[in-house]
Amino acid sequence: EDQVTQSPEALRLQEGESSSLNCSYTVSGLRGLFWYRQDPGKGPEFLFTLYSAGEEKEKERLKATLTKKESFLHITAPKPEDSATYLCAVQATSGGSYIPTFGRGTSLIVHP
Amino acid sequence: DTAVSQTPKYLVTQMGNDKSIKCEQNLGHDTMYWYKQDSKKFLKIMFSYNNKELIINETVPNRFSPKSPDKAHLNLHINSLELGDSAVYFCASSQSPESNEQFFGPGTRLTVL
Repeated sequence: EDQVTQSPEALRLQEGESSSLNCSYTVSGLRGLFWYRQDPGKGPEFLFTLYSAGEEKEKERLKATLTKKESFLHITAPKPEDSATYLCAVQATSGGSYIPTFGRGTSLIVHP
Repeated sequence: DTAVSQTPKYLVTQMGNDKSIKCEQNLGHDTMYWYKQDSKKFLKIMFSYNNKELIINETVPNRFSPKSPDKAHLNLHINSLELGDSAVYFCASSQSPESNEQFFGPGTRLTVL
């Protein structure tokens, strides 16, 4: 069974204090790993897809990286508007289906 | 313009009642989904339709019945509501089942009393 574990559950940062969120996964055959951002009371918003180990993607202050066992979401010099829950999900290749498995998310609060 | 919309946003009802949630997308996507997010923010897929055809049906009680009248709409009907059904239900869409990017609606918060 595919599993996704995110850590930490919650993270508080001061504005400008860079940090990383972790997503560890076990999957039979990785088709893709996704990062989403979810603001309170809203639906998740897509950020990145990573397909293979060594791949990196960037968007503003966010950078996602992937190894064979985990992904990191690096946040450089965060601002209060980066406060949100960040969700990681994997999609396996087995069985011809495309069922995403989500982690429980990391709740990030950035203080001004 | 709203890409994926859901109605209602809030739904409060008694145990045993039957209720429906509606979803519409104006993105021209072929694939639509229903997810359930529990109080601990765990997001789990329930159903997926591609071109009005059911392609994903996870272990969901048969009290839950999705219906897709056309590619742009996916509704969720729930019979005999139970306390454990209380959650936020999200509709989402993507260009195809293989697409990596899913667009989520704002969610429907269901509270069963």
